[in-house]
Amino acid sequence: QSVLTQPPSVSGAPGQRVTISCTGSSSNIGAGYDVHWYQQLPGTAPKLLIYGNSNRPSGVPDRFSGSKSGTSASLAITGLQAEDEADYYCQSYDSSLSAHVVFGGGTKLTVL
Amino acid sequence: QVQLQESGPGLVKPSQTLSLTCTVSGGSISSGSYYWSWIRQPAGKGLEWIGRIYTSGSTNYNPSLKSRVTISVDTSKNQFSLKLSSVTAADTAVYYCAREERAPGATRFDYWGQGTLVTVSS
Repeated sequence: QSVLTQPPSVSGAPGQRVTISCTGSSSNIGAGYDVHWYQQLPGTAPKLLIYGNSNRPSGVPDRFSGSKSGTSASLAITGLQAEDEADYYCQSYDSSLSAHVVFGGGTKLTVL
Repeated sequence: QVQLQESGPGLVKPSQTLSLTCTVSGGSISSGSYYWSWIRQPAGKGLEWIGRIYTSGSTNYNPSLKSRVTISVDTSKNQFSLKLSSVTAADTAVYYCAREERAPGATRFDYWGQGTLVTVSS
């Protein structure tokens, strides 16, 4: 049971827009802590995709965007491409836990 | 460009200690701007943060693993290491080392190793 809740799977056709939610609580996202997103392509290590809720590292296409509101955050992918098929994870900090780092359970994106 | 590389045995017997080392290149592990972390991922499952170390040697561990985990750093070799004791099959996973950028809102993992599969089996 992850501290941050993500849908197990989402899907979309090429060119479409999809969103992935990340729901937390008042001790993590709702407390104002930043949310980061990672993309994990099959058989590879996760890659930082969005940091600080809505910022893209250099080299990440602007098709990827992030937002945060209240106790939730979202990752949006527009102009869906076949190479976007991957697992996506959100990550933040939780003040009620000594774990310091909390991940969402991950969302599998399938490009139809 | 910072690179991280995990190394260590791919097979560990139950009840023994899992030992992995992460070698950092392209940057100094002594930089005060970063923590150095271990994260694992069982096959088909999500990411689990194991713990981190700072260049000073101070550590933080996931409470669920704290009693079995030791993370250490060797700044002279630009390496940090993980030891996980009394392993069981539940510890079988891909183990990643990662650089964790210290940030005001929440730390983030900006560089990752490629990961190494550790199987616990007799």
